[in-house]
Amino acid sequence: RKEVEQDPGPFNVPEGATVAFNCTYSNSASQSFFWYRQDCRKEPKLLMSVYSSGNEDGRFTAQLNRASQYISLLIRDSKLSDSATYLCVVNIRGRALTFGSGTRLQVQP
Amino acid sequence: GAVVSQHPSWVICKSGTSVKIECRSLDFQATTMFWYRQFPKQSLMLMATSNEGSKATYEQGVEKDKFLINHASLTLSTLTVTSAHPEDSSFYICSATRPGVGDTQYFGPGTRLTVL
Repeated sequence: RKEVEQDPGPFNVPEGATVAFNCTYSNSASQSFFWYRQDCRKEPKLLMSVYSSGNEDGRFTAQLNRASQYISLLIRDSKLSDSATYLCVVNIRGRALTFGSGTRLQVQP
Repeated sequence: GAVVSQHPSWVICKSGTSVKIECRSLDFQATTMFWYRQFPKQSLMLMATSNEGSKATYEQGVEKDKFLINHASLTLSTLTVTSAHPEDSSFYICSATRPGVGDTQYFGPGTRLTVL
């Protein structure tokens, strides 16, 4: 079983749509949670950290459910520029990040 | 601006040659850096943890004699792919944890290696 599992997609959505990505992790010792965005042939860039209380950054909302070991990302009012691969990432302090395989989003005009 | 740099950004080499990739933290000291590899349409896979002043810690299945890691200073880690073969062609990315910024890791821009 992978440590971090994501639906690979692709998710093809029209501009303005709301789209949600889910992720599950297997290691209950995981302490930090993130969503990264990776554009084709580029390095991952931090999109946002994820907290149990839920957090929002503009059109992006992230949620963490520790009991279910489940992380989500909601994107509202999708833009063409949101097209990318979204990586669910978990971390145990002091160790390297563990990446999901990513969910590919394609926003269409 | 960028906080972690990598050099070169891309390299094409012949089979059997060795390639060195540098990873630098630009305005902070990183006692630990990480090296990842990403094959097309796959996730980043951790290769090794680079520790300043000591030996690197390699993940299972990564040959330490093939992927030489040196972390000679607090701002520089190098990865040398020795006797590269076409199957080593990949996207190599380093990262470093910035002190005082929790667990956030900053990634270098990556090095695309193509071995002919």
